[in-house]
Amino acid sequence: EVQLLESGGGLVQPGGSLRLSCAASGFTFSSYAMSWVRQAPGKGLVWVSTISDSSAFTFYANSVKGRFTISRDNSKNTLYLQMNSLRAEDTAIYYCAKSRGFGTTDFDYWGQGTLVTVSS
Amino acid sequence: EIVLTQSPATLSLSPGERATLSCRASQSVSSNLAWYQQKPGQAPRLLIYDASNRATGIPARFSGSGSGTDFTLTVSSLEPEDFAVYYCQQRSSNSWTFGQGTKVEIK
Repeated sequence: EVQLLESGGGLVQPGGSLRLSCAASGFTFSSYAMSWVRQAPGKGLVWVSTISDSSAFTFYANSVKGRFTISRDNSKNTLYLQMNSLRAEDTAIYYCAKSRGFGTTDFDYWGQGTLVTVSS
Repeated sequence: EIVLTQSPATLSLSPGERATLSCRASQSVSSNLAWYQQKPGQAPRLLIYDASNRATGIPARFSGSGSGTDFTLTVSSLEPEDFAVYYCQQRSSNSWTFGQGTKVEIK
């Protein structure tokens, strides 16, 4: 059974940093691209970042480029999101999601999310 | 960036009725479109990929159609558990975007 478990969320002041983790199990983690998607309270889904299976390629939404860094450790089956220079508008539930296959559009498994609140 | 526009914003229907949800892309995405269902307090669930393929375990009452810029998600006969928010999503030029969602509520 595929499982994705996010952690690392919490309350942080504007300008602060936070590192999210996503522990994966139930599939060959090193064979799939992984992504982060966020959802502000009461709002829709917004793609944040994607990393290829081998970490060779990373992609970011314009809203987080230069502030967030996605990475992965295939030996630990873990995905990360380093978030710096956090702003109030970064407040959201952050989901990690698995790509269905190579070059595919969609995400076939999602974690339950971790809440990040940016506030003074 | 490709923008996805979903309509209507809210759909009020009764159990057993047919639901038809629309997703329009600002430029062609070929068949690279997915649909998700999200219930309150839950993560999204993949329903349809590549515009018309049901994901694993998705009931046959869910179907997707379309290509290019116009796509449709149809629920042939709504079950009580189908009342939720539905999102379309695309990928192009290594950027992924979601529509703003359609809420299917009980009439």
